[in-house]
Amino acid sequence: SQQGEEDPQALSIQEGENATMNCSYKTSINNLQWYRQNSGRGLVHLILIRSNEREKHSGRLRVTLDTSKKSSSLLITASRAADTASYFCATEPPNTGNQFYFGTGTSLTVIP
Amino acid sequence: DAGVIQSPRHEVTEMGQEVTLRCKPISGHDYLFWYRQTMMRGLELLIYFNNNVPIDDSGMPEDRFSAKMPNASFSTLKIQPSEPRDSAVYFCASSPTGPNTEAFFGQGTRLTVV
Repeated sequence: SQQGEEDPQALSIQEGENATMNCSYKTSINNLQWYRQNSGRGLVHLILIRSNEREKHSGRLRVTLDTSKKSSSLLITASRAADTASYFCATEPPNTGNQFYFGTGTSLTVIP
Repeated sequence: DAGVIQSPRHEVTEMGQEVTLRCKPISGHDYLFWYRQTMMRGLELLIYFNNNVPIDDSGMPEDRFSAKMPNASFSTLKIQPSEPRDSAVYFCASSPTGPNTEAFFGQGTRLTVV
């Protein structure tokens, strides 16, 4: 399977703390993306990091990519209750024509 | 643009019945994807289209599943006959052509087969 795997499966933190989620994948990639899914809703794109990039920031989000280890991490700083959601990584392998393979997700709960 | 639109949002049907899920992608997007999400298997890519042509349907679970895209603004995913194990949330997503593009998801159709 080309699916990635997120770690941990579930994470519970206090508001204001940082949350870190990890993603491991199996194949070479063009890019890796992180998505967020609120309960009962569709996935929403958060950030994309290309295979030749090592770190990227967007607001309170920080993403790192280590292609040698085939892994990525998503850091959410100063978490808020509204960040409570499931977070998925998605990989786009080369030569697959925009195919996206999603990981198993991390369920994040931010306690107010 | 209203985003990717899926219908219905919820569908409850009896085993053996035909189910048709519908999707309207974002205008101008050349790629359309159908995903299935379950607790056990996560988010699975079923099939995707490029310029209305099916490119990879290797994720379609079995012959009971079929998908069509008769034009750039409409796609269907049909299950005939439906079975209880088909119960899941089905998502449609679209993306524009080009490297390093994101997928835009619809709100999903929650299918329950009883």
